[in-house]
Amino acid sequence: GESVGLHLPTLSVQEGDNSIINCAYSNSASDYFIWYKQESGKGPQFIIDIRSNMDKRQGQRVTVLLNKTVKHLSLQIAATQPGDSAVYFCAETVPGGSYIPTFGRGTSLIVHP
Amino acid sequence: EAQVTQNPRYLITVTGKKLTVTCSQNMNHEYMSWYRQDPGLGLRQIYYSMNVEVTDKGDVPEGYKVSRKEKRNFPLILESPSPNQTSLYFCASSRGLAGVKETQYFGPGTRLLVL
Repeated sequence: GESVGLHLPTLSVQEGDNSIINCAYSNSASDYFIWYKQESGKGPQFIIDIRSNMDKRQGQRVTVLLNKTVKHLSLQIAATQPGDSAVYFCAETVPGGSYIPTFGRGTSLIVHP
Repeated sequence: EAQVTQNPRYLITVTGKKLTVTCSQNMNHEYMSWYRQDPGLGLRQIYYSMNVEVTDKGDVPEGYKVSRKEKRNFPLILESPSPNQTSLYFCASSRGLAGVKETQYFGPGTRLLVL
């Protein structure tokens, strides 16, 4: 769910478990979505993207699912490792002339060894 | 190594003292942008540039200026910083005129404190 105040939603998992991080996007016209990973003290790092003409895309250990009906995006991480501990957030962009993405506030993933 | 660099990484200044945060990318990217990141608010775009001498406002441009005289550099200028500009700033770049339709590469961030 959405965070209140300064606190991010947090997902705690055990090493080796699968993780699912959710994102509710705001604009039904958005046509391009990206998941980013941000480790402490570093800039956001691209993980995976998906365009609105797809509902699923897979990477090496990650899968992004897009449900346009309910404006929902999820990131699945298989066999989560301690190095996956970070803040994950999604970004959406709309078609046309605007190049301004809208970023979610993020979810903190904590992986326990 | 392909990267986006920012300087300084940390800066403490006082209200009203002009400052510049530099950003440089070595990937020949056409699109560059600046973001600020504040707790609970996520990343918000300040300014972006689609090419040399082409800049435009993002969501939160007030109190900031940018310039794009060369393709690789995109400095962020605070003419008269105020405490509400205390934040973590990120520069980003991506290739091509598609802008954010392709992934952006982010710099390591600049943490600014305005007293």
